[in-house]
Formats: sequence, C-alpha cells, structure tokens
Amino acid sequence: EVQLVQSGVEVKKPGESLKISCEASGYNFTTYWIAWVRQMPGKGLEWMGIIYPGDDDTRYSPSFQGQVTISADKSIRTAYLQWSSLKASDTAIYYCARYLNNLGFDTWGQGTLVTVSS
Amino acid sequence: SYELIQPPSVFVSPGQTASITCSGDKLGDKYACWYQQKPGQSPILVIYQDNKRPSRIPERFSGSNSGNTATLTISGTQAMDEADYYCQAWDNRIGVFGGGTKLTVL
Repeated sequence: EVQLVQSGVEVKKPGESLKISCEASGYNFTTYWIAWVRQMPGKGLEWMGIIYPGDDDTRYSPSFQGQVTISADKSIRTAYLQWSSLKASDTAIYYCARYLNNLGFDTWGQGTLVTVSS
Repeated sequence: SYELIQPPSVFVSPGQTASITCSGDKLGDKYACWYQQKPGQSPILVIYQDNKRPSRIPERFSGSNSGNTATLTISGTQAMDEADYYCQAWDNRIGVFGGGTKLTVL
C-alpha cells in the first residue's frame, strides 16, 4: 500500500526553527515527486514547492521561495519542509503529496498541524 | 503569477447535477486536476488529466477542460459529495490551486 506518513503536531514560538517530515512507503521513493501544500485555518490549499528525490531537483512557488526549504533523504525515504525562523502567519496544516507525470497528486499525507504562538 | 478562479460556493439538490468551474488564462492548454476535501480530512484526487478518474472514484464524477475553463461535473449528486473542491494546474513547472468551491447538497 502506498502511504505518506507525516510527523506530528508542532507548537512553536515565533523565531524558532522547525523541520517537519513525510515518510514514504509502498513505492519507489526516487521516481515520484513530493510536493508540500499549505492550508491556513479555514482557508484553501496553497502549493508551496516540490522535490524529486531521485536527483533533488526542487522548485518553489514564488510566494514561498526563500521562506522555506524543501529537502529529501533517499536513504530513509523521507521528505522534509523546514523553516529557519517561524512567524505566527506560518500557523497552518501542511500536507505532503506524491506526484508523477500529469497523473495528479494521487497520495496525500495526513497533514501536520503547525501552531506558532508566543 | 498564474491564477485559477473558482466560485466560492455551489448548491445542488440530491440526485441533480453539480457543475464546478475553474477559470484560468488558456487553461485548456494545460492539464487540470480536481481534488475533494471533506472537513478534517486530507484532500483526495478525483479527476486528473482533465477527465480521467482514479479507479476508486465513482463514475458520477467527470471533468472537461477547454478554452479558459475546466469543469468538474457530478451527476446524480449524493449527500456524501458535500465537500470543498479544488482545481489544480501547472504553469511553468510551478503548481497552482484554485481558491476552492464549497459544494452544498440540500
């Protein structure tokens, strides 16, 4: 069974750093893209960026370029989304999702709730 | 940057046909996907490549894409179809989601 399992709830203070994860199983991790999607409270989906673990090719939405870093570790089949200095406006649920060749984001993680509050 | 525009809400009676539109510049030249999201759940893919259904998605879900508009159609809408629906496309290798449409079945 194809699965993406994300790390758990995070509660952080403004200015702190954070790295959340998305562990893949049930398929060849290096041959599918992994995207990150933000959903702020009560709002819609926002495409943040995407990585191809096979060669670490990474692309960012202009809205998120320079704000976050996407990475992957092939050896443990895990993708990451990280912040160096969180803001209250980063409070959201973050989803990872698998993608290949115009077949859509066919598998999603369960989401990671990140709350940033002083 | 590229934008996809959806109506905030659509209302449909049970058993009737619901149509949700997604507008973007020359969207018909790109592939459109559609995602369903119910409260407290992760999104699921219901249409890809404009009009293809993943195997687990009921036949009542269909899609089309031409000109500047992609459309998700739900025939014989059921109460369980009440959800938020998001279109998605690619522009210069960057993904874009529409703002989402809340489908209410009443």
